[in-house]
Amino acid sequence: KQEVTQIPAALSVPEGENLVLNCSFTDSAIYNLQWFRQDPGKGLTSLLLIQSSQREQTSGRLNASLDKSSGRSTLYIAASQPGDSATYLCAVRQGAQKLVFGQGTRLTINP
Amino acid sequence: ETGVTQTPRHLVMGMTNKKSLKCEQHLGHNAMYWYKQSAKKPLELMFVYSLEERVENNSVPSRFSPECPNSSHLFLHLHTLQPEDSALYLCASSQDLRGGNQPQHFGDGTRLSIL
Repeated sequence: KQEVTQIPAALSVPEGENLVLNCSFTDSAIYNLQWFRQDPGKGLTSLLLIQSSQREQTSGRLNASLDKSSGRSTLYIAASQPGDSATYLCAVRQGAQKLVFGQGTRLTINP
Repeated sequence: ETGVTQTPRHLVMGMTNKKSLKCEQHLGHNAMYWYKQSAKKPLELMFVYSLEERVENNSVPSRFSPECPNSSHLFLHLHTLQPEDSALYLCASSQDLRGGNQPQHFGDGTRLSIL
């Protein structure tokens, strides 16, 4: 059974710092890995999707890496801003429709 | 505008009530999903529909009854719920189920509280 773990559970950093969020998964047989953002009381917004054949994806200040063989992914956020405060969720896709999620990292950027 | 709209946003009901959650997607997608997000637990997939047919029921109790009358609408009918069913229920859609690289688009969820 696939298990997805995100560390740390919560992170608080000053504005302007670069930071890394971690995600690990137990079964490397995945189609892809997605990073989502969830604001309080809201649904999920997809940030980056890395296909199983890819090593990384970039979007603006965000960079996500994938090491499928070791079951790890990182989300790098450069020059963090208060607007980046949210919960970040990692999910791996198994089968055509099944997403398995981690519990998330709650990120707070302090002005 | 997320493209996936869920109503109501908040729902409080007693254990003997019957209510329904509604999801509508405006993205022209053919697959729709129900997820449950409980406090301190990861998001859990409940049901998957493709072209109005249920293709996955992830061991969900029968007090949750999904309905997909067309590819744009998805309902979750609730009856005789338990306090542990209090959670955020999220709906999502994707283009279809083929291939593994299509993102799912999520609504803002319905916050359900069972008294």
